[in-house]
Amino acid sequence: QVQLQESGPGLVKPSQTLSLTCAVSGGSVSSGGYSWSWIRQPPGKGLEWIGYFYYSGSTYYNPSLKSRVTISLDTSENQFSLKLSSVSAADTAVYYCARVYAVVPPGWLTGFDIFDIWGQGTVVTVSS
Amino acid sequence: DIQMTQSPSSLSASVGDRVTITCRASQSIRSYLNWYQQKPGTAPNLLIYATSNLQSGVPSRFSGSGSGTDFSLTISSLQPEDFATYYCQQSYSTPLTFGGGTKVEIK
Repeated sequence: QVQLQESGPGLVKPSQTLSLTCAVSGGSVSSGGYSWSWIRQPPGKGLEWIGYFYYSGSTYYNPSLKSRVTISLDTSENQFSLKLSSVSAADTAVYYCARVYAVVPPGWLTGFDIFDIWGQGTVVTVSS
Repeated sequence: DIQMTQSPSSLSASVGDRVTITCRASQSIRSYLNWYQQKPGTAPNLLIYATSNLQSGVPSRFSGSGSGTDFSLTISSLQPEDFATYYCQQSYSTPLTFGGGTKVEIK
């Protein structure tokens, strides 16, 4: 059973870089067909996709954050990471890591991305 | 970006009620639509993918329908454990986007 666990500082100062790690257990980040994603949820609000490290080796980021975001894979540690630079109070949120699986629904010829496994989430507050 | 709009934003219902939540995309997303359930303090959990396919382990009282721009999630007989917030999400194109959520509360 694959499990994901986020870790990192719970408090980051404005203008600094937020760094989080998602440890993967019960499976490998190198497994074919899976991508690895970060999603966040500001307090009392909805979900925002940050980006993912696609199984092809490419990265895709939300344009609203693209200039500040880096998602990388560490196969030796079996984990993936998020770096978000120049943070402000607007970046305060619960940050989730998630596995993206390209499921092929019945009758379909191509895969369809779903967030099938999530970490429990980690709260990050941006404040001086 | 494809905007996802859910309605209602909240609803009150009783155990046993039939509940329907709608989700509208700002452009056609064919059937690239997923539904997630989120309970307070926990991560979202996938319920339905590709509009109408039930994720493994999800009770059959949940169902989804639609195509193009208009979609719906139906709970045929609301159970106590179904009180939660529900989100739709499109996988048609990046950036992947979610609806604003529908909170289902106890009447």
